[in-house]
Amino acid sequence: KAGVTQTPRYLIKTRGQQVTLSCSPISGHRSVSWYQQTPGQGLQFLFEYFSETQRNKGNFPGRFSGRQFSNSRSEMNVSTLELGDSALYLCASSPGGIYTDTQYFGPGTRLTVL
Amino acid sequence: GNSVTQMEGPVTLSEEAFLTINCTYTATGYPSLFWYVQYPGEGLQLLLKATKADDKGSNKGFEATYRKETTSFHLEKGSVQVSDSAVYFCALSNAGGTSYGKLTFGQGTILTVHP
Repeated sequence: KAGVTQTPRYLIKTRGQQVTLSCSPISGHRSVSWYQQTPGQGLQFLFEYFSETQRNKGNFPGRFSGRQFSNSRSEMNVSTLELGDSALYLCASSPGGIYTDTQYFGPGTRLTVL
Repeated sequence: GNSVTQMEGPVTLSEEAFLTINCTYTATGYPSLFWYVQYPGEGLQLLLKATKADDKGSNKGFEATYRKETTSFHLEKGSVQVSDSAVYFCALSNAGGTSYGKLTFGQGTILTVHP
């Protein structure tokens, strides 16, 4: 089975711009979670989608949003970029997003905001 | 709320040394516990997991036992190799609607193994 894929792998944007990141889960997985990884804050949960519905959301401002399509692929969008949004954004998929499920991670998208 | 605390790093060992990375957690109920590993420039890979008390997860020579009485899930390996050099994350997930798809991570422990 193919693993979780994320595109693009690297992005450079300037402050004030917006960005869209894409995640394709493992075939058959219906839950997609997104995380932000920074040296200062570590790994922080952004949100989770299951069957095109956001079921859970972390403590991030409304500039961070996402969606999931009928084929379980997911996108996240960050509007009005700030320098502090520079991070590695990881998505993970699991069969159902329940607490005993293993989450499988993609390689991440490295976002640099100048 | 849920939280995970890992031992302070970084950890530097010689090849074939014994490894322990401590992990303790705070959570209500019976969370699932995980160890993930991250190699440079890559995403996280599951190393092992345990979903109930006294379960032992194991993989590639690494082991960890879910100890509810001490709220711990320490990672151990009897003989480390240079290729084990990476960042190790302890994580938990919990039941309940507000926990869907959410892993809570420790701060990560950098392991460097010298030949």
